[in-house]
Amino acid sequence: DAKTTQPPSMDCAEGRAANLPCNHSTISGNEYVYWYRQIHSQGPQYIIHGLKNNETNEMASLIITEDRKSSTLILPHATLRDTAVYYCIVSNTGTASKLTFGTGTRLQVTL
Amino acid sequence: GAGVSQSPRYKVTKRGQDVALRCDPISGHVSLYWYRQALGQGPEFLTYFNYEAQQDKSGLPNDRFSAERPEGSISTLTIQRTEQRDSAMYRCASSVGHLYGYTFGSGTRLTVV
Repeated sequence: DAKTTQPPSMDCAEGRAANLPCNHSTISGNEYVYWYRQIHSQGPQYIIHGLKNNETNEMASLIITEDRKSSTLILPHATLRDTAVYYCIVSNTGTASKLTFGTGTRLQVTL
Repeated sequence: GAGVSQSPRYKVTKRGQDVALRCDPISGHVSLYWYRQALGQGPEFLTYFNYEAQQDKSGLPNDRFSAERPEGSISTLTIQRTEQRDSAMYRCASSVGHLYGYTFGSGTRLTVV
């Protein structure tokens, strides 16, 4: 599975959009981009995933560049409850079970 | 059930003892996964099942660790002859299929003393 690179931490003001970047320059054609987050000591929570098209759901939007070498998770109106560690994971359909979480980005939403 | 249930929530055991950790996935979820998470680190893959078949156990650290899911529902992760380095949060997740998101349980905090 391709490796991902994320900034270790980011801050965002409450009510503003949080844009979390992820580099995955070695991604291959059959690999999906997944995003999870982990709030404090809870279990990781699935957010969204995509292959090459941009995706949106009730939680977030996922923007994948045309060359698929990077992506951005967008939380349109961050709240204090969005403070968490966000993990960007790349995995192909055959081995999607083996999600490799890495260390993620710690997002701190502030007043 | 409504979510993935793990038991016990906390387990303290003496070094050398065997422990069994239980995971009850969401009803109807085909895939079940075990992860281990050390403090301050992301979850580390251990093994996974589709139905009752163990598809990948490459993440199990050594032969003291084993897992089973005999009827394709509840799974047990067993650690024999526990060591202090086994202390961690053990997390179970289930999924409808590999293209769908995982739902994680609250985990079992294992402490080996």
